[in-house]
Amino acid sequence: DILMTQSPSSLAASVGDRVTITCRSGQSIRNYLNWYQQKPGKAPKLLIAGASSLQSGVPSRFSGSGSGTEFTLTISSLEPEDFATYYCQQSYSLPVTFGQGTKLEIK
Amino acid sequence: QVQLQQSGPGLVKPSQTLSLTCAISGDTISTTTASWSWIRQSPSRGLEWLGDTYYRSKWNYDFALSVKSRITISPDTSKNQFSLQLNSVTPEDTAVYYCARLTYGSGLLKYFDHWGQGSLVTVSS
Repeated sequence: DILMTQSPSSLAASVGDRVTITCRSGQSIRNYLNWYQQKPGKAPKLLIAGASSLQSGVPSRFSGSGSGTEFTLTISSLEPEDFATYYCQQSYSLPVTFGQGTKLEIK
Repeated sequence: QVQLQQSGPGLVKPSQTLSLTCAISGDTISTTTASWSWIRQSPSRGLEWLGDTYYRSKWNYDFALSVKSRITISPDTSKNQFSLQLNSVTPEDTAVYYCARLTYGSGLLKYFDHWGQGSLVTVSS
């Protein structure tokens, strides 16, 4: 299985801050990396597919980059609704695997 | 738009079988541009993909090694739904279970773009 490791595990930030979350894979996954946002009691929501392709309806303050083994999710200016847990997920090979999550909290 | 609606019991006794169903609307289970997965989430295991089914001239199945001996995923084309059965459950199988669509996008990209609402299943006597 491909191990996905996110850092940090938690992050406290303020509205308006720029934040970056990193995801590393245990082997190259090319650009087969997706990002999800999850709020309490809800299913994960797809934000970015293929490392950098913003999904329809997702605000442009979200962006993704990277390839190979290192990827980043950046939120350029935090809004109150962005405080949630974020997960990366690889679809390069089965079994698909997820990172452990990064909880973004209000400072 | 695509919607996945989950149903099934929230409490299962140890050694018994966990059963959940995911009804699909807005898409067809036999589509060739997606597969249909079960994923669970618990504090101890995080998000864990369990398995999927998809139609490519015939029905195909993939399963996570951790549950391969205990899991069945069954498509039902007449009801446009698929189900999960997990046998011989223990308290470690307590989790929120999700069904999800894995869409096959451009450039061989695959991503979970639609999820069910989640079902908390507790394994307890």
